Amino acid sequence: DGGITQSPKYLFRKEGQNVTLSCEQNLNHDAMYWYRQDPGQGLRLIYYSQIVNDFQKGDIAEGYSVSREKKESFPLTVTSAQKNPTAFYLCASSIGRNSGNTIYFGEGSWLTVV
Amino acid sequence: SQQGEEDPQALSIQEGENATMNCSYKTSINNLQWYRQNSGRGLVHLILIRSNEREKHSGRLRVTLDTSKKSSSLLITASRAADTASYFCATDDSGNTPLVFGKGTRLSVIA
Repeated sequence: DGGITQSPKYLFRKEGQNVTLSCEQNLNHDAMYWYRQDPGQGLRLIYYSQIVNDFQKGDIAEGYSVSREKKESFPLTVTSAQKNPTAFYLCASSIGRNSGNTIYFGEGSWLTVV
Repeated sequence: SQQGEEDPQALSIQEGENATMNCSYKTSINNLQWYRQNSGRGLVHLILIRSNEREKHSGRLRVTLDTSKKSSSLLITASRAADTASYFCATDDSGNTPLVFGKGTRLSVIA
């Protein structure tokens, strides 16, 4: 089946640890995105990538890092610099970055600081 | 980034009733999209309306767009318990930038 796979679904982070959330898509999409969602809130853009080896910061990039070494993969690292990382993280992709394109989402990853 | 703002924040209706959600935005747009999110899941695209369109239909969904008022509405007719979810509008700012999502309307349909 075509789609976006995020893993793990649930992740616990200790203080001072870096953790990486995986996102893989087999839709052959050029653009990929990471959003953060806090309970009862909307989505905030962390990073996005239009093409392999290129990515741009979104509205809340501080404390996060990404890479785009392969078209199908866009992992997100939550670093120890992110002071309040507990949230629901959503990876998404689209054919291109044009706003007329549909964005397809993964099922999300819950990150909790313990 | 500009952000669409949905209204109301929460809506509770009986099965069979119609549900109307509104979205307001600040700057000119090329497109506006509506998405649905079941609790704890990813978002799913519902419908896109372009800035030169005033109304679109998809099954039980009707979307309107009023660019003069910078607002859009999503109407779900004959609602079902399975329509219970959060609904988000997403807008661009007429530039080539990623979509920006609002905070959503939480719809509860009571059987």
